Amino acid sequence: ETGVTQTPRHLVMGMTNKKSLKCEQHLGHNAMYWYKQSAKKPLELMFVYSLEERVENNSVPSRFSPECPNSSHLFLHLHTLQPEDSALYLCASSQDHPGTEAFFGQGTRLTVV
Amino acid sequence: GQNIDQPTEMTATEGAIVQINCTYQTSGFNGLFWYQQHAGEAPTFLSYNVLDGLEEKGRFSSFLSRSKGYSYLLLKELQMKDSASYLCAVTTRADRGSTLGRLYFGRGTQLTVWP
Repeated sequence: ETGVTQTPRHLVMGMTNKKSLKCEQHLGHNAMYWYKQSAKKPLELMFVYSLEERVENNSVPSRFSPECPNSSHLFLHLHTLQPEDSALYLCASSQDHPGTEAFFGQGTRLTVV
Repeated sequence: GQNIDQPTEMTATEGAIVQINCTYQTSGFNGLFWYQQHAGEAPTFLSYNVLDGLEEKGRFSSFLSRSKGYSYLLLKELQMKDSASYLCAVTTRADRGSTLGRLYFGRGTQLTVWP
């Protein structure tokens, strides 16, 4: 248990569905992240959030939209996804920017059919 | 951009020593992490190097040379449970006008430990 909780653990959705991934941390961290992990590829940084700002990877399609309502919660809203979006989506948090250890959630295994 | 290279796979036997290398080319380098990830699980922190030199923590040690853009993770007295993917990750300083740095990962090295 890392202190970062992701739900759901598994998700199967059609290309026309809308779903949301949830991440929660109670470690008192200031920064939260979404990563995508596909087979045989590096962990891909999608979004970085703090209370003051959001930083995004410009290569992430607009069908992924993050939301960070407070310092403890992070969502990833999904709509009209493609089969190639099937992957493990990992949430992480750290104190301030990543000059300190990032703690990862267990991930959501997403399958788009 | 960021370029982080590490071998795809390595194998070793129980009780042996293995060294996993990582080279990187990155702008705004701040520090380097090593993470361990077992299949189907979240990455877990192993080490963090900011300054040149060797950091030792039990059976695991990590080395960094900033001038060479090079790091290695050394695993001693290997155990079967050490079979996992080992991820090299680089942190970068925040861009001007931002408070957030970045954490970029390599592809990971899949280590298999044989009895």
